[in-house]
Amino acid sequence: RKEVEQDPGPFNVPEGATVAFNCTYSNSASQSFFWYRQDCRKEPKLLMSVYSSGNEDGRFTAQLNRASQYISLLIRDSKLSDSATYLCVVTRGGYNKLIFGAGTRLAVHP
Amino acid sequence: DGGITQSPKYLFRKEGQNVTLSCEQNLNHDAMYWYRQDPGQGLRLIYYSQIVNDFQKGDIAEGYSVSREKKESFPLTVTSAQKNPTAFYLCASKPGQMNTEAFFGQGTRLTVV
Repeated sequence: RKEVEQDPGPFNVPEGATVAFNCTYSNSASQSFFWYRQDCRKEPKLLMSVYSSGNEDGRFTAQLNRASQYISLLIRDSKLSDSATYLCVVTRGGYNKLIFGAGTRLAVHP
Repeated sequence: DGGITQSPKYLFRKEGQNVTLSCEQNLNHDAMYWYRQDPGQGLRLIYYSQIVNDFQKGDIAEGYSVSREKKESFPLTVTSAQKNPTAFYLCASKPGQMNTEAFFGQGTRLTVV
């Protein structure tokens, strides 16, 4: 079993839709959590950090449930420009190990 | 401008040759990472380093080697022992504090023929 697992994709949604991605992590020692976005053939870039209290940035909302070892990302009012792969990332350990999920691909169509 | 630089962007090598990918950062970050990404796949951790002169194996270290002689530099050598070296290689760095963002270079596409 992979340490960080994400919903299999792709998600194909119309513009304006709300879409939710889920991610689970298996190591309870995981300490910090992030969502990154990766466009085709480009490097990943930070979308948002994830906190237990939840956090929101415009149309994007991220939640962390430590008890269930579960992270989510909600995108409201999807835009064509949201089409990308969304990567769930956790950090753990004294050596700051940074572990990526396999990613969930989102395709927003007109 | 501060950032993380990988070079070259594209690299072609013959099978059986070792090749070294460069990664330099001027962000004063303590931690640096190397990942491999295959088409349609996620990022797999090759090696990571928290401080100078220290590094740890990731999940797929076989056939790769690294060094961390300077804080700014974390070169990756792909050796002939790596059976399927053709891939997209990404280098990242971040501050040592746990809840901090990692920044990526633009990647190197290695093709072995």
